[in-house]
Amino acid sequence: AQSVTQLDSQVPVFEEAPVELRCNYSSSVSVYLFWYVQYPNQGLQLLLKYLSGSTLVKGINGFEAEFNKSQTSFHLRKPSVHISDTAEYFCAVSLFGNTGNQFYFGTGTSLTVIP
Amino acid sequence: GAVVSQHPSRVICKSGTSVKIECRSLDFQATTMFWYRQFPKQSLMLMATSNEGSKATYEQGVEKDKFLINHASLTLSTLTVTSAHPEDSSFYICSAQDRGVGKLLFGSGTQLSVL
Repeated sequence: AQSVTQLDSQVPVFEEAPVELRCNYSSSVSVYLFWYVQYPNQGLQLLLKYLSGSTLVKGINGFEAEFNKSQTSFHLRKPSVHISDTAEYFCAVSLFGNTGNQFYFGTGTSLTVIP
Repeated sequence: GAVVSQHPSRVICKSGTSVKIECRSLDFQATTMFWYRQFPKQSLMLMATSNEGSKATYEQGVEKDKFLINHASLTLSTLTVTSAHPEDSSFYICSAQDRGVGKLLFGSGTQLSVL
């Protein structure tokens, strides 16, 4: 069975400090990995994705994530956060089998940037 | 606990027929629901945002007459793919914003195959 775990439901961090949002997944097959951000009252926006190739993926707004197959992790990082980064962040896993797509989301991490 | 129930999980239909997908919030009220579409090896694409009791807001490029969204109550939103064609074959997923705690929850998705 597949699942996605975001270990931290809430992460407060001071402005200009680095941040890491953790994501672990479990799957018996190869997966594609995504990080999405949700600003209040808006739909999801794609931050970055890993499909194949380099395990270090760079996304929008200065975010990056590293795919670690041995640890089944896909943690999201940013070296210096801004107030505008305050939002909800979702890790997601997608796999494409013979019967079609399957998509699994983590429960989300609420990032609060403190001035 | 609060979950989003999406049905059906998989549907196969003939070209020209209409298909309805339901998204229900269980144990919470959802003022806002989002509908997404995913093509293989791609991220989610936001199709529309629906608020209870009002017309849905569609993203650019999404045909309103093709993808009918109804959000008649705080616990139910439906997406109807009218006169489906093979190019409409895709994975559709809904998400609902918990009115009480503001958390975003996801349905398990619907794999639509149009023959």
